[in-house]
Amino acid sequence: EVQLVESGGGLVQPGGSLRLSCAASGFTFSSYSMNWVRQAPGKGLEWVSYIDSSSSSIYYADSVKGRFTISRDNAKNSLYLQMNSLRAEDTAVYYCARNRLAMYWGQGTLVTVSS
Amino acid sequence: EIVLTQSPGTLSLSPGERATLSCRASQTGNSNHLAWYQQKPGQAPRLLIYDASRRATGIPDRFSGSGSGTDFTLTISRLEPEDFAVYYCQQYGRALPLFGGGTKVEIK
Repeated sequence: EVQLVESGGGLVQPGGSLRLSCAASGFTFSSYSMNWVRQAPGKGLEWVSYIDSSSSSIYYADSVKGRFTISRDNAKNSLYLQMNSLRAEDTAVYYCARNRLAMYWGQGTLVTVSS
Repeated sequence: EIVLTQSPGTLSLSPGERATLSCRASQTGNSNHLAWYQQKPGQAPRLLIYDASRRATGIPDRFSGSGSGTDFTLTISRLEPEDFAVYYCQQYGRALPLFGGGTKVEIK
């Protein structure tokens, strides 16, 4: 069974940093691209970042470019999102999802940016 | 920059009725790489339709997708109680996947 489990969310002050993790199981992690997608409270879905299976292609939404860094460790079956210079508008539930066409999603982890 | 516009924003219908949701792209992308997702409160999105018209595994046949180019439609032939949710379209055939703003299907 495919499982994606996010962790690392929490409350952080504006300007602060947070690192999200996504633990994958039930499939050959190293064969799939991965994504981070977020959803602000009461709002729609926003794709945040993409990384291909070998980390050779990486893309970011304009709203996070230069502040967020996506990475993966195929040996640990894990995906990461390093979030720096956080702003109030980054407050959201962050999901990891397998592939751009996302059949599989994690349950999400809430990031709250507030003083 | 491509924008996906979903309409209507909210659809108020009764169980058993037909729902027709629209997704319009501001320009033609990879025209077949259009997906639909269902999301219920507190849950992750669920893939319903991909390649504009193919049902994902386990999706009931009351859900159908159609369209190409810039205009796409998700149709729910007869609404079941569990279908009341928010629906998103997504273009996934580009480097930067894009979601529409969503259509909420609510009970009338």
